[in-house]
Amino acid sequence: DAGVIQSPRHEVTEMGQEVTLRCKPISGHNSLFWYRQTMMRGLELLIYFNNNVPIDDSGMPEDRFSAKMPNASFSTLKIQPSEPRDSAVYFCASSGTGGSFRSGANVLTFGAGSRLTVL
Amino acid sequence: LAKTTQPISMDSYEGQEVNITCSHNNIATNDYITWYQQFPSQGPRFIIQGYKTKVTNEVASLFIPADRKSSTLSLPRVSLSDTAVYYCLVGAPYGNNRLAFGKGNQVVVIP
Repeated sequence: DAGVIQSPRHEVTEMGQEVTLRCKPISGHNSLFWYRQTMMRGLELLIYFNNNVPIDDSGMPEDRFSAKMPNASFSTLKIQPSEPRDSAVYFCASSGTGGSFRSGANVLTFGAGSRLTVL
Repeated sequence: LAKTTQPISMDSYEGQEVNITCSHNNIATNDYITWYQQFPSQGPRFIIQGYKTKVTNEVASLFIPADRKSSTLSLPRVSLSDTAVYYCLVGAPYGNNRLAFGKGNQVVVIP
């Protein structure tokens, strides 16, 4: 398996522009996570999907952020309009259901990340 | 409120054993303890997971005392390539545990 695939790897855009980040989870995994990493806050969860349904979106900063998972093999994170403070590395991770997920027994597999710079 | 507490950073010399302790006083009965490693410009990757006692794999060992209120990741004979950020995660990574990863522990291996 190619692992979790994210695109683009790098994006530089100007304030006010729309940004779309993409993620292809590992085939067969039914849980998908979007994380944001900054020096100030570290790695924080934005949204969590299970079987393509958003379960926990309490980490989504504000209405400018939205995420979708139209099918089991694809998810997007959209920022519209983008602002300089959105500059960060965004990671997508997926996990299977081999163990009890509520207990944390399932391991997350992360993608390589998308580095976003908003000027 | 984060479920875990880790030191922010630590240095170690090549060839030494590195032990990183994570405190999780409020661990729930069913919670597993999972450690991840992150190299620069990469996503975190799984190292080891345990529930109680000791777990060992080809990369590290994980020691968990009987009360499970802490755990210690042990990296034997570190090399420069072990320089990374290490995260301790307890339980599921969502809900009240949304900030579970946090800033992790920066380990720098010195020649």
